[in-house]
Amino acid sequence: DAKTTQPPSMDCAEGRAANLPCNHSTISGNEYVYWYRQIHSQGPQYIIHGLKNNETNEMASLIITEDRKSSTLILPHATLRDTAVYYCIVRPPGSTSYGKLTFGQGTILTVHP
Amino acid sequence: KAGVTQTPRYLIKTRGQQVTLSCSPISGHRSVSWYQQTPGQGLQFLFEYFSETQRNKGNFPGRFSGRQFSNSRSEMNVSTLELGDSALYLCASSLAGDRPTDTQYFGPGTRLTVL
Repeated sequence: DAKTTQPPSMDCAEGRAANLPCNHSTISGNEYVYWYRQIHSQGPQYIIHGLKNNETNEMASLIITEDRKSSTLILPHATLRDTAVYYCIVRPPGSTSYGKLTFGQGTILTVHP
Repeated sequence: KAGVTQTPRYLIKTRGQQVTLSCSPISGHRSVSWYQQTPGQGLQFLFEYFSETQRNKGNFPGRFSGRQFSNSRSEMNVSTLELGDSALYLCASSLAGDRPTDTQYFGPGTRLTVL
């Protein structure tokens, strides 16, 4: 599985955009980038995923570089409730990844008032 | 639509005992995955079930087992509990689990404490 690298922690002011980077330089052409977050002691929450193109939903935007070696999750107007651990996951196709997500250490995002 | 539910939410056991955890997936979801989360190892994949068959497995000892029923509900069992089995056990469901676009949705977890 492609390995991901994320900063251990980041801070953001409430109301500002939070930009969370992820490096996945060994990603292959058919692997998707997923983002999940986990608020303390709860189950991970799906945020967004993408392959090549930038994606946007009601929660966030995902920007994937043209060479696909890195991506950025953008929370456009962070609130205190966005304080969580954010995980960037690269998911390959094939039977070895059936039902499987490989989580790294993630980024602890702290949103300040 | 109801989310993934897990029971019980909290459990305390002693070393050597066994435990069974239950997971009900989102309606229509046929793939159920189990994960263990500990402070030291983070979130780790245990196994995945689809159509009552274990289809994928992580790197855990045989003390960890599971099963899936015809209604897609799943249980996992840990036998001969060890102190290191204390963890948050998470269940996730997806439609079929076999495509990278098949999103997993997680339950709230079962917090297991082994004394």
